[in-house]
Amino acid sequence: EGQLVESGGGLVQPGGSLRLSCVATGFSFSSSWMSWVRQAPGKGLEWVANIKEDGTEKDYVDSVKGRFTVSRDNAKKSLYLQMNSLRVEDTAVYYCARRNRWYRYNWFDPWGQGTLVTVSS
Amino acid sequence: DMQMTQSPSSLSASVGDRVTITCRASQDISSYLNWYQQKPGKAPKVLIYATSSLHSGVPSRFSGSGSGTDFTLTISSLQPEDFATYYCQQNYGTPWTFGQGTKVEFK
Repeated sequence: EGQLVESGGGLVQPGGSLRLSCVATGFSFSSSWMSWVRQAPGKGLEWVANIKEDGTEKDYVDSVKGRFTVSRDNAKKSLYLQMNSLRVEDTAVYYCARRNRWYRYNWFDPWGQGTLVTVSS
Repeated sequence: DMQMTQSPSSLSASVGDRVTITCRASQDISSYLNWYQQKPGKAPKVLIYATSSLHSGVPSRFSGSGSGTDFTLTISSLQPEDFATYYCQQNYGTPWTFGQGTKVEFK
């Protein structure tokens, strides 16, 4: 099934930047679409971004467009999320997840354990 | 964006109870609906994808049904390890959106 491990979270001031990383093991990372999903404290889940296997296609939720950039390094089996111009409302646990696909159906599995990003002055 | 509305937001149940959670989409999403389970402090885990397909390793007491705008997750006989929060998620079109969650608590 595979495993994902995120890192890079922490406390940052509004307007600051942070880069999250996610390392994959146990599955073919280079053949997998990958995603970021976040969860604000005590709140529900919000899809953030997708990236195609070769990195040529990316998609974002409107609230992060122009501020966040998803990327990957298949040689390192790693996924990244560069977050700039951070806002208080970006405070959340950020999960990376594999986007599984069957015909046109997609679902997230597995998920990493999450990394907490806190945006506060 | 497509809105996903779950009901109830929370419920109290006992071990052995049959539990039903509903999810309504703001527009027709065919069968592009997934269900996840999340326990406190843990990442979500997929239970069901494509409305009714049980993910590998998920107990058969979980089942999903529906199409179009109305969907249901059923737990046929609630077990102690099933007390958690459940989320539906549409993958008909981006942005993929989740329901607000249904917390299943011990009565």
